[in-house]
Amino acid sequence: KAGVTQTPRYLIKTRGQQVTLSCSPISGHRSVSWYQQTPGQGLQFLFEYFSETQRNKGNFPGRFSGRQFSNSRSEMNVSTLELGDSALYLCASSLGQGHIQYFGAGTRLSVL
Amino acid sequence: ELKVEQNPLFLSMQEGKNYTIYCNYSTTSDRLYWYRQDPGKSLESLFVLLSNGAVKQEGRLMASLDTKARLSTLHITAAVHDLSATYFCAVDTTSGTYKYIFGTGTRLKVLA
Repeated sequence: KAGVTQTPRYLIKTRGQQVTLSCSPISGHRSVSWYQQTPGQGLQFLFEYFSETQRNKGNFPGRFSGRQFSNSRSEMNVSTLELGDSALYLCASSLGQGHIQYFGAGTRLSVL
Repeated sequence: ELKVEQNPLFLSMQEGKNYTIYCNYSTTSDRLYWYRQDPGKSLESLFVLLSNGAVKQEGRLMASLDTKARLSTLHITAAVHDLSATYFCAVDTTSGTYKYIFGTGTRLKVLA
């Protein structure tokens, strides 16, 4: 059974650009969650999608957005990148809330 | 405001010894999660604890939840070097605005 796949693994962008990250969940998982990890702020929850609907959202500005497709694949978009957006972005899939989450390898974003 | 505190932040222990990591949270929580992260790697889900008195065990790790004390513990039995990693707890709540908050992490080093 294939795991959670995140692409790309590494990204380098400059301030003001936008970026789209992709996450393919485990087959059969309808919940996809996104997290940001930085040395300063630690791990923070971004949002969760379930059956193409954003079910929960963390405390991030509107520059951070996402969507989920009918095949449960999810994308996360960050517009007008800032230096502080440099982080490891993790995606996790699960059967739903209260179930174990399975994480992808992450996308490391560097904003210059 | 939902806060999650872990202690200790750093833990160095000898192989074969037992130890406990503590996770305190400040308000009512729906679920409590434990994760493991190896250096430079993604997160691995360890346990999801759903109710007061819940106890889950996997190998040398055992997690428990006391919702009245707002405390979860991760107990390590007869530690081995392979358990060296950073361990995070996290809680979420749907009371009011949804929140999903991670603890600061406990960096565990097991010395051979």
